[in-house]
Amino acid sequence: EIVMTQSPATLSVSPGERATLSCRASQSVSSNLAWYQQNPGQAPRLLISGASTRATGIPASFSGSGSGTEFTLTINSLQSEDFAVYYCQQYNTWPFTFGQGTKLEIK
Amino acid sequence: EVQLLESGGGLVQPGGSLRLSCAVSGLTLSTYVMSWVRQAPGKGLEWVSAIGGSGRSTYYADSVKGRFTISRDNSKNTVFLQMNSLSVEDTAVYYCAKAPPGSWSEYDYWGQGTLVTVSS
Repeated sequence: EIVMTQSPATLSVSPGERATLSCRASQSVSSNLAWYQQNPGQAPRLLISGASTRATGIPASFSGSGSGTEFTLTINSLQSEDFAVYYCQQYNTWPFTFGQGTKLEIK
Repeated sequence: EVQLLESGGGLVQPGGSLRLSCAVSGLTLSTYVMSWVRQAPGKGLEWVSAIGGSGRSTYYADSVKGRFTISRDNSKNTVFLQMNSLSVEDTAVYYCAKAPPGSWSEYDYWGQGTLVTVSS
């Protein structure tokens, strides 16, 4: 199976600044990659699909990039509600797999 | 409004079985690939299984293959996950999720999850 590795495990950033989260696949997943946000006690929420397409209702402060094995989620001008756990997921090859998550915390 | 509502979770002994249900409203279920994703307490997301719109195609994570069975009843807008030979490692919140129409891809809607606890 394809192993998705996210880095860092925890990222401390101040409100108003930019956060950059990384996701690496053990083999190419083309652009078949999604990003999700999860707050404590809640279900995940889709942010990005196709590596770079924002989901409905997702603000422009969220952007995704990359293809193949290297992907990045960038969050500009961090707001209080953006501090959460973020997961990447590949849907190129069965079984679909998630990264272990990056916790974005307030610095 | 699209809604996914899981049910059927609870406490079960190791080696036991449980059947989860996901009732979907606000759409015609047969158009959508449906999946189950789980999250062990304090851990990350783990993809479990997926089923095509007609029910003919199914996929499983290696960790549940041969023990779990995904199915659907489109006439009742419901998806199921039959879980057999449960072990403590299966303890998790189980989420039902749907993909966009006709697509095996990302999950744009999720239920709130149902907790399965495997313990003696």
